[in-house]
Amino acid sequence: KAGVTQTPRYLIKTRGQQVTLSCSPISGHRSVSWYQQTPGQGLQFLFEYFSETQRNKGNFPGRFSGRQFSNSRSEMNVSTLELGDSALYLCASSLALSGGEKLFFGSGTQLSVL
Amino acid sequence: DAKTTQPTSMDCAEGRAANLPCNHSTISGNEYVYWYRQIHSQGPQYIIHGLKNNETNEMASLIITEDRKSSTLILPHATLRDTAVYYCIVRVAVASGSRLTFGEGTQLTVNP
Repeated sequence: KAGVTQTPRYLIKTRGQQVTLSCSPISGHRSVSWYQQTPGQGLQFLFEYFSETQRNKGNFPGRFSGRQFSNSRSEMNVSTLELGDSALYLCASSLALSGGEKLFFGSGTQLSVL
Repeated sequence: DAKTTQPTSMDCAEGRAANLPCNHSTISGNEYVYWYRQIHSQGPQYIIHGLKNNETNEMASLIITEDRKSSTLILPHATLRDTAVYYCIVRVAVASGSRLTFGEGTQLTVNP
């Protein structure tokens, strides 16, 4: 079974641009969540989508948005990029079962904002 | 979700057991203990989780104290590939969310 796939693996953008990252979850997984990882702040939750609906959101500005398609694939978008948005963006998928949930993470997209 | 406390770093000799402690003294009765690890430049990897009882799988064992205020992750025969940051996470298992709150974790270094 294929794991969580994130594209692209690396990305370089300049301040003010916008960027779209893609995530394909494990087949059969309906929940997709996104995390940002920086050296200073560590791993922080961005948002989660389940059945095309956002059901959890972290404490990030509105420049960060996402969506989920009917096949559970997800995209996240960051508009008006800032230098501080440079980070590893991780996507995780799960079956979204209650009583103990395992998240499966992709390898991430390393975004550099110049 | 309850806060966790882990040592910043630990060392272990290859082939020996690695015992990683985690303190979660404010854990509630409906909160699970999860362990993930992250090898440099990769996404976190699920290891194991438990509620009350000790758990074992092909990767590790999880020992939870009777009062549930602390736990220990045991890697029985550590290898160089086990060098990673290990995160102990406590969260309520609810059907409406898969949000994890990561702390700083423990950097485990397995030495030859």
